[in-house]
Amino acid sequence: AQKVTQTQTEISVVEKEDVTLDCVYETRDTTYYLFWYKQPPSGELVFLIRRNSFDEQNEISGRYSWNFQKSTSSFNFTITASQVVDSAVYFCALGYSGGYNKLIFGAGTRLAVHP
Amino acid sequence: GAGVSQSPSNKVTEKGKDVELRCDPISGHTALYWYRQSLGQGLEFLIYFQGNSAPDKSGLPSDRFSAERTGGSVSTLTIQRTQQEDSAVYLCASSRWAGTSGGYNEQFFGPGTRLTVL
Repeated sequence: AQKVTQTQTEISVVEKEDVTLDCVYETRDTTYYLFWYKQPPSGELVFLIRRNSFDEQNEISGRYSWNFQKSTSSFNFTITASQVVDSAVYFCALGYSGGYNKLIFGAGTRLAVHP
Repeated sequence: GAGVSQSPSNKVTEKGKDVELRCDPISGHTALYWYRQSLGQGLEFLIYFQGNSAPDKSGLPSDRFSAERTGGSVSTLTIQRTQQEDSAVYLCASSRWAGTSGGYNEQFFGPGTRLTVL
């Protein structure tokens, strides 16, 4: 079965702190895709990153970075020097070969960044 | 270009009534998806369209739910005889088709329709 687990329900930090959001996935497929989406208070899901199972290189985009480790089935997301505008719910999602392109979402982590 | 649009943004209905939710995908996106976001269940997949056909309807929760897509563009999700447990935000997403190789392109989501069943 395919599953995504985000154990952190809510995280609260003060601006400029670094924060890491955890994501653990389960799949028996050797070809799969991992995603992170951001859902700000406005409600619209915003795509952040896609990573396929054959590419374990970590990625950095500005203050955002992602750590993909197949050995632990994890795809963690770190925000460096957090800002108030980072406050949102963050979802990790899994797409798998044969899954007809549907995404399996984790429960989400609500991040609150306080001034 | 324009993003995914959905209408209405909010819908309040009485239990037992039928509702129709509309999704207009990004132009040129042949793949279209419906998801449901509710407090207890998180984000759940409902149905996937490639063009006008729906190869995966596995997420539709009951036969009261149906969806169609015409002209490879606009899609309508219909819920018949609504129940209170249908209250949720219904999200539509679209993407370019990743082909038969099993790849995934990023899905772009609309703002959602918040459905409240009284």
